[in-house]
Amino acid sequence: TQLLEQSPQFLSIQEGENLTVYCNSSSVFSSLQWYRQEPGEGPVLLVTVVTGGEVKKLKRLTFQFGDARKDSSLHITAAQPGDTGLYLCSTDSWGKLQFGAGTQVVVTP
Amino acid sequence: EAGVAQSPRYKIIEKRQSVAFWCNPISGHATLYWYQQILGQGPKLLIQFQNNGVVDDSQLPKDRFSAERLKGVDSTLKIQPAKLEDSAVYLCASSLVGTQYFGPGTRLLVL
Repeated sequence: TQLLEQSPQFLSIQEGENLTVYCNSSSVFSSLQWYRQEPGEGPVLLVTVVTGGEVKKLKRLTFQFGDARKDSSLHITAAQPGDTGLYLCSTDSWGKLQFGAGTQVVVTP
Repeated sequence: EAGVAQSPRYKIIEKRQSVAFWCNPISGHATLYWYQQILGQGPKLLIQFQNNGVVDDSQLPKDRFSAERLKGVDSTLKIQPAKLEDSAVYLCASSLVGTQYFGPGTRLLVL
């Protein structure tokens, strides 16, 4: 059983469109992290959210942590081909990361 | 600053053969991790080292997998004998405090 459920599994959109991916759990977390993994590479940390209701922005990416600290979303505005990748959410328990299965995002020109 | 280095990048073997992967972490990073990422899944932690000591190997299939960290720097992960279900990307990561930095991984295909 996955501790973190990510949806959708796959998303294909055109350049310039917006998209949102989700990370949900029945557990409460002290923090949650989002990573992007490009083909042939390891995951790269994008952001860590720690406070319920927190919103963080990273250029065209907006991350939100749910008020109850059980879920999170990632919204990309005006997606570009460079946003293509596997988006993973994870929890961090004393340095041990536990990942969701990820959402594969493909942005076509 | 150089990132985490891994080799080989790709490996194809037949079942029941042995294979070894090598990882060189970022200089000065005391903590090193090995993850297994099966296609369609997120990475799963196999083993965590702090310097040259094992912190957590609870998810390492010890009947066939072994790992060591030489002098608290480089690390090797070995599979002997390999099974079909071991086909995956093996990721190495290192950290000083907090953020883990991942290498590009070794893609293993077991036929």
